Amino acid sequence: DTGVSQNPRHKITKRGQNVTFRCDPISEHNRLYWYRQTLGQGPEFLTYFQNEAQLEKSRLLSDRFSAERPKGSFSTLEIQRTEQGDSAMYLCASSFPGSHEQFFGPGTRLTVL
Amino acid sequence: GNSVTQMEGPVTLSEEAFLTINCTYTATGYPSLFWYVQYPGEGLQLLLKATKADDKGSNKGFEATYRKETTSFHLEKGSVQVSDSAVYFCALSAAASSGGSYIPTFGRGTSLIVHP
Repeated sequence: DTGVSQNPRHKITKRGQNVTFRCDPISEHNRLYWYRQTLGQGPEFLTYFQNEAQLEKSRLLSDRFSAERPKGSFSTLEIQRTEQGDSAMYLCASSFPGSHEQFFGPGTRLTVL
Repeated sequence: GNSVTQMEGPVTLSEEAFLTINCTYTATGYPSLFWYVQYPGEGLQLLLKATKADDKGSNKGFEATYRKETTSFHLEKGSVQVSDSAVYFCALSAAASSGGSYIPTFGRGTSLIVHP
């Protein structure tokens, strides 16, 4: 296992389109996190799974955003009806059971035209 | 709510200079504290951590001490190298509310530029 992977690495879309990103965590990790990062800012928490259960969701996450982790392994983040303000780097991280130390993926850079 | 405040960058130093990057926090309960580093073109990676008051985290010559009385976790290195040039993020993991799940909170990041 070589770490957390994310696909695609880059996505360019037109405003109003839907996009879906995938995250594959480190296999032994039961926690999975999604973040958004814009230029000059730190990662901003979006949502968090423990196994397949979505335990927390940021108030910043509008109804256009949805995340799933159906079998407690990989996760998807979907953004519906994208807006230019959604342009950002979307990061995924995972952690071991009982640990708060996170391992980050390389991110998916979204550009909404 | 929980928050992390870092000194603004960029911090520009000459090689072998002493580094301090200040970090203070506000949190519910007793958070765990972290420093993450992001090298150019790479993802975030954990640099060091401390899970309780007075713990000192250390790695690659960097150190930070968990100071509960001043709610601080300042990053220090005695002699920086050009290869230390990166963005450094202070972070905490704490319950969002009493009995709630632990939510990670990151600072804005501090860019460090080290010149030969």
